[in-house]
Amino acid sequence: DAGVTQSPTHLIKTRGQQVTLRCSPKSGHDTVSWYQQALGQGPQFIFQYYEEEERQRGNFPDRFSGHQFPNYSSELNVNALLLGDSALYLCASSLQGAQEKLFFGSGTQLSVL
Amino acid sequence: AQTVTQSQPEMSVQEAETVTLSCTYDTSESDYYLFWYKQPPSRQMILVIRQEAYKQQNATENRFSVNFQKAAKSFSLKISDSQLGDAAMYFCAYREYGNKLVFGAGTILRVKS
Repeated sequence: DAGVTQSPTHLIKTRGQQVTLRCSPKSGHDTVSWYQQALGQGPQFIFQYYEEEERQRGNFPDRFSGHQFPNYSSELNVNALLLGDSALYLCASSLQGAQEKLFFGSGTQLSVL
Repeated sequence: AQTVTQSQPEMSVQEAETVTLSCTYDTSESDYYLFWYKQPPSRQMILVIRQEAYKQQNATENRFSVNFQKAAKSFSLKISDSQLGDAAMYFCAYREYGNKLVFGAGTILRVKS
């Protein structure tokens, strides 16, 4: 049983560009959350998707957007990249009714130059 | 907003010894979940242990146990018989209303052989 898979594992972009990160949840899970983890810090919640809708959002600008597909996979899009967007982006999946059982992927390391 | 504080940036323990990692949090809620996650160099967040606030009994998972003091809003992690594989970054997290996780800044645990 595959766990949470994220792609790509590493990505290098330049300021002003746009990026799309992808996440496939653990089999059977219907809810996907995204977190940003800056170097040396704890992860920060970006948003959560369930039933193809954004259900909750953290304190991130509109440059950060997402999408959930009918197969529960999800994308995180970041527009107009800033140097400060350099971070590890973690995807986590769960069942809507069992949020305490959250499974994380290994993340996408984004570097903005 | 809820906050999670880990006051120990770094801890060291001798192999086979016991170490305790500290965590305090701030909330006005009465029912919530608390978690300890481990993040090894592979970057994947791995759930170590979770505690439901309405349960007075401290959670235990093999060599890992917590000391949950609800009135003091304290949630420490005790690792017994430390092993080299326990070396990692450890994050304390609180599950806020709406299922968002709020993480502390983390504690680096080093295990000496």
